[in-house]
Amino acid sequence: AQKITQTQPGMFVQEKEAVTLDCTYDTSDPSYGLFWYKQPSSGEMIFLIYQGSYDQQNATEGRYSLNFQKARKSANLVISASQLGDSAMYFCAMSLSSGNTGKLIFGQGTTLQVKP
Amino acid sequence: EAGVTQFPSHSVIEKGQTVTLRCDPISGHDNLYWYRRVMGKEIKFLLHFVKESKQDESGMPNNRFLAERTGGTYSTLKVQPAELEDSGVYFCASSQSRGTGELFFGEGSRLTVL
Repeated sequence: AQKITQTQPGMFVQEKEAVTLDCTYDTSDPSYGLFWYKQPSSGEMIFLIYQGSYDQQNATEGRYSLNFQKARKSANLVISASQLGDSAMYFCAMSLSSGNTGKLIFGQGTTLQVKP
Repeated sequence: EAGVTQFPSHSVIEKGQTVTLRCDPISGHDNLYWYRRVMGKEIKFLLHFVKESKQDESGMPNNRFLAERTGGTYSTLKVQPAELEDSGVYFCASSQSRGTGELFFGEGSRLTVL
């Protein structure tokens, strides 16, 4: 069965430092997509980054990069040069292979707090 | 460009009452999704519309939940009668195509059933 696991309920990081948020996934399907979303206190889910299972290179979007290790089934999010505004809840998610790429399975989330 | 908007932002009702949540997707987005996060649990898929048609409603918990998308624009999710376990945050999301699956989410509607 498909599953997303985020083992870190909460994380702290010092401002300007880098932080890695862990995500492991489980699927037997060779075709899937991996996503990270940010949920600030306002509640809105903000798309951060996407990685396709066949992508050869790790995805990067500004200060966000996805450390995709297919053999380990991990898709960790790396945030470089943390900012106070990065404090939020972060969700890792996976799209199923049925072709409906908007149907996502989410992890339980990691709360990140950036300290000044 | 307006994002996905949801109304109400918070609703408090008593067990047995009815609540209707509304979602206005981004204009031009054919795909509309409903998700729900119950306290302490993962965000779970409820259903997917393509325009006005229900494409996948495999995540709907039971027949107390009814979703509609008249005319392929806004969508409503009605819970009738509400139960305590329905409490949570209901998210709506929309997307333009089946490309990367990037979903644009609303801020969610928090439902509290007493």
